[in-house]
Amino acid sequence: SQTIHQWPATLVQPVGSPLSLECTVEGTSNPNLYWYRQAAGRGLQLLFYSVGIGQISSEVPQNLSASRPQDRQFILSSKKLLLSDSGFYLCAWSKGTGPKETQYFGPGTRLLVL
Amino acid sequence: QKEVEQNSGPLSVPEGAIASLNCTYSDRGSQSFFWYRQYSGKSPELIMFIYSNGDKEDGRFTAQLNKASQYVSLLIRDSQPSDSATYLCAVSKAGTASKLTFGTGTRLQVTL
Repeated sequence: SQTIHQWPATLVQPVGSPLSLECTVEGTSNPNLYWYRQAAGRGLQLLFYSVGIGQISSEVPQNLSASRPQDRQFILSSKKLLLSDSGFYLCAWSKGTGPKETQYFGPGTRLLVL
Repeated sequence: QKEVEQNSGPLSVPEGAIASLNCTYSDRGSQSFFWYRQYSGKSPELIMFIYSNGDKEDGRFTAQLNKASQYVSLLIRDSQPSDSATYLCAVSKAGTASKLTFGTGTRLQVTL
């Protein structure tokens, strides 16, 4: 079966500091990978998605970036965090295309920028 | 107009009753429709998805889709206190990588 991991689980960072969140998927190959952010009281917002190694699509312009150095690894980064970057960051994976393609979420990273 | 709209709730139902959660969407090109459950402080977990008009049943859950009315619903039969959570409706469009657009969720409270 497939498993998705995210770390760290929680993170408190000062404004202006860098960020690196990691997501890995086990039990599948060539998944589609996604980063979402859920701000307090708001819905999930898609930030980035990737259909393969080195292929990143950005949905929302911001000071975040994503990379996919390996097939089952997805990294979310920032050079300088803003207060508005606080939130619950969720990685998800899916496989294939078409109406049955379904996304499954990792446990998430809760980020607080002070 | 939001792309995916849900009543934020809370929706309160007694234990054993049917809970009805509703979602409307604006894009007629939407392909598939998903219901996720999210407990407080946790990540969303998939309940079920539907992509054809009509009903789809999975245990105590039934998803209903009406593309003409751009409306999707989730019925939970025999509601249990453990069903108390926020229910997220998500919509995808056809294309490479199923990008989901989420509603803000409906909070369900099942009372004893």
